[in-house]
This record gives sequence, C-alpha cells and structure tokens, in this order.
Amino acid sequence: DAMVIQNPRYQVTQFGKPVTLSCSQTLNHNVMYWYQQKSSQAPKLLFHYYDKDFNNEADTPDNFQSRRPNTSFCFLDIRSPGLGDAAMYLCATSIPSGTGRTLKNIQYFGAGTRLSVL
Amino acid sequence: SQQGEEDPQALSIQEGENATMNCSYKTSINNLQWYRQNSGRGLVHLILIRSNEREKHSGRLRVTLDTSKKSSSLLITASRAADTASYFCATAPGGSYIPTFGRGTSLIVHP
Repeated sequence: DAMVIQNPRYQVTQFGKPVTLSCSQTLNHNVMYWYQQKSSQAPKLLFHYYDKDFNNEADTPDNFQSRRPNTSFCFLDIRSPGLGDAAMYLCATSIPSGTGRTLKNIQYFGAGTRLSVL
Repeated sequence: SQQGEEDPQALSIQEGENATMNCSYKTSINNLQWYRQNSGRGLVHLILIRSNEREKHSGRLRVTLDTSKKSSSLLITASRAADTASYFCATAPGGSYIPTFGRGTSLIVHP
C-alpha cells in the first residue's frame, strides 16, 4: 500500500549528540513536511519542501535542518539535541491542488518518531 | 500563532452517545479539515469542508461550518470505543496551502 514511512519509530539520543530522522513516501507527492508535536499540543510545522524548494518556518531553531535528496525521501537532522527537543516528530506529504475555494491540500502522515533526549 | 482552537480540550462519553467538538478560527479560510490522531500515531485525514459549504457527512461523521462565526463542529454519532483519539481541526489562512492545526480535543469513549 502507498504510504508514508518514518524510521525509526523510537529514537533515544544523548544531549548534544546529532540525530537524523528519516521519512519516505510511495505516494509520489511533491510536498513533504516535518512537524514537531509535544504532549497534548498541536503539531508545529518546522519546515516543508515544495518539490526541491525548501521553506523554513520563521521560528524554527537553526538546530533543525532538513534534506530532501529525491522525491521519495526527506530527512530531519537535529544538530545538537537539547532536552526541550524531546517530542514526537511527524512527517507528512501532500499534493496541493486548486486555488481559492477549490484549494485542496490533504496531508498524509507517517506514524511518527518519538525522540527522547537523555 | 494557532489559527484554530478546539473546544472542549477533553471529552469523556459512553459508547453509543454522540460526541461533539468545536473549532474556532481567526481569519478567512478556503476550507477547513478535521484530522484524527490515535495515541502515539500520526494524524489521519477525516473530512474537508469548503468555505461555501455549510454541512458535510461522511459515515458517522457530520461536520458543519459557519463562516460568519468562524467556527466549525464535528459530530460523531453512536460513538464506539475505537473512536477514542484526539481530533484536530486544520485551517489554511488566506491564500496559503499550509494548514495550521489547533491543540485538539481528546475524546475518550468508554465501552
């Protein structure tokens, strides 16, 4: 089945030790997103790729980077994880269509990677 | 800042009862979406309602949209224990295609 796959499901890292989370998709969607979600909070958009174009949210810390080597894969790199970066990281994909009232952008999410920082 | 806010934050009901959750948003929108998230999992799209629609149905789900009040409601009829999850509304302000999520409503359905 076509889907969005995140690896690993659980990641434990040490304070300050770089970590990479991965996301792959078989949907051939042109947009890929990375969200951070802390307990009982809304998913917070970190950045997204529209095709090869990288779009960073203004309040995303420099500690977070992303790579999209091809349509299918997208990576989230946390250069120096702090205790406050412990969260669920969600990858999503979509293929926006239409404009104005016909605009439609349904996102398909992976199961997430839960990151713990020790 | 969050575009949508769900209310209530938490809802606990018995199986068979209806569950209603509400979403308020701040700016004009082209459409509004509802997503569901099971504990420890990703979000799953449930339904999209366009700004020129007032009501939409999908199985046991009924969504309404009142653009004059900038609010939407999601009704789950005849709830089941399997409906236990968090429910999020998502709106994209203005011409943006990026939906912004609210904090969600945590629904617990007791068997």
